Amino acid sequence: KNQVEQSPQSLIILEGKNCTLQCNYTVSPFSNLRWYKQDTGRGPVSLTIMTFSENTKSNGRYTATLDADTKQSSLHITASQLSDSASYICVATGGSQGNLIFGKGTKLSVKP
Amino acid sequence: DVKVTQSSRYLVKRTGEKVFLECVQDMDHENMFWYRQDPGLGLRLIYFSYDVKMKEKGDIPEGYSVSREKKERFSLILESASTNQTSMYLCGTSPSGGAVTEVFFGQGTRLTVV
Repeated sequence: KNQVEQSPQSLIILEGKNCTLQCNYTVSPFSNLRWYKQDTGRGPVSLTIMTFSENTKSNGRYTATLDADTKQSSLHITASQLSDSASYICVATGGSQGNLIFGKGTKLSVKP
Repeated sequence: DVKVTQSSRYLVKRTGEKVFLECVQDMDHENMFWYRQDPGLGLRLIYFSYDVKMKEKGDIPEGYSVSREKKERFSLILESASTNQTSMYLCGTSPSGGAVTEVFFGQGTRLTVV
């Protein structure tokens, strides 16, 4: 069964600290891996997209990694800011119809 | 910038009402999607459309229908709203051209059925 699992479910960190969110996927055939940021009550906004041949991609203070062999991805946030408080959703694209398979998200809270 | 606009941010409807959720995009994208998002379940695909007048069922189409009469507009219809359809509804769009195209989302409609 195609699925995406994220950990932790929620995370609280202090402003200025770094953090890493994890994503494991079982999707076959696999095409690409996406990370989205979703502010409370808003739609998701794309942070990165990585194909199976890419192993890292950055977007400002956000750096995503992908290990297609172990089927794992991580999102590292550097020098967190209060505005980073949001849910972060990992999405794998693949399956027989190239569908988006969503993880349940990690809710990050950055405290002053 | 791509703009995906959903007609309402918040909506309260009564059980049994017919409900229309509208989504409009301004980037001439071929693909449009409707998802619902519930706590602990993530986003689930209801319906999608690859072209005008074309529609395909997603993972949870029961109780919903869709309409795409124009390329820029994709409507989700709840024929007879029920309380278990209380949820956040998200519209998404993407250009055609393979699996690596970006998907853009609207701001969401939080529907409450009482």
